Amino acid sequence: GEDVEQSLFLSVREGDSSVINCTYTDSSSTYLYWYKQEPGAGLQLLTYIFSNMDMKQDQRLTVLLNKKDKHLSLRIADTQTGDSAIYFCAESNQAGTALIFGKGTTLSVSS
Amino acid sequence: ETGVTQTPRHLVMGMTNKKSLKCEQHLGHNAMYWYKQSAKKPLELMFVYSLEERVENNSVPSRFSPECPNSSHLFLHLHTLQPEDSALYLCASSQEPLSNEQFFGPGTRLTVL
Repeated sequence: GEDVEQSLFLSVREGDSSVINCTYTDSSSTYLYWYKQEPGAGLQLLTYIFSNMDMKQDQRLTVLLNKKDKHLSLRIADTQTGDSAIYFCAESNQAGTALIFGKGTTLSVSS
Repeated sequence: ETGVTQTPRHLVMGMTNKKSLKCEQHLGHNAMYWYKQSAKKPLELMFVYSLEERVENNSVPSRFSPECPNSSHLFLHLHTLQPEDSALYLCASSQEPLSNEQFFGPGTRLTVL
């Protein structure tokens, strides 16, 4: 079945780079997504990558996709305390009707 | 502010109560979704509505009853819930009926006593 796995916690110091990793199972997913959830808020789409791309860069965010290994990563450069949140990786379900989410990685940034 | 609002933001109810969660999207989208977010578990898709018709129902117990009266509004009617139903219930919408770029509301934090 469809499954998305992420490590649960990551702790970094302000100014360092953060790398959040994700593995997924459905190789037919057209898009893969990163969502961010701040405390007390809903999910916010951060970025997404089309499955025929290897990398996408958007300001401080870099998404890397290894389709062979079904591995997705999100790199946040110059991590700030405001980046502290839960980050969810998601892929499409096989029917293409909805998203399958991982459990989320809690990023803690200390100053 | 994502353009998707949910009310109430917090709800405490007993197991014999009946309540409803409301979601409204101001984005002109055609598809709406209910997700359940429990601690230490992945988000669980509950229901998908496309153009006001239910297109997916992920084996959700009948004590949860969705309603989509129009493309801007989605309700989740609750009755005789169990304590394990306590969770954050998230509503989302997307542009195309089967688009995966979804915009989420802030959620309703539900506690069942």
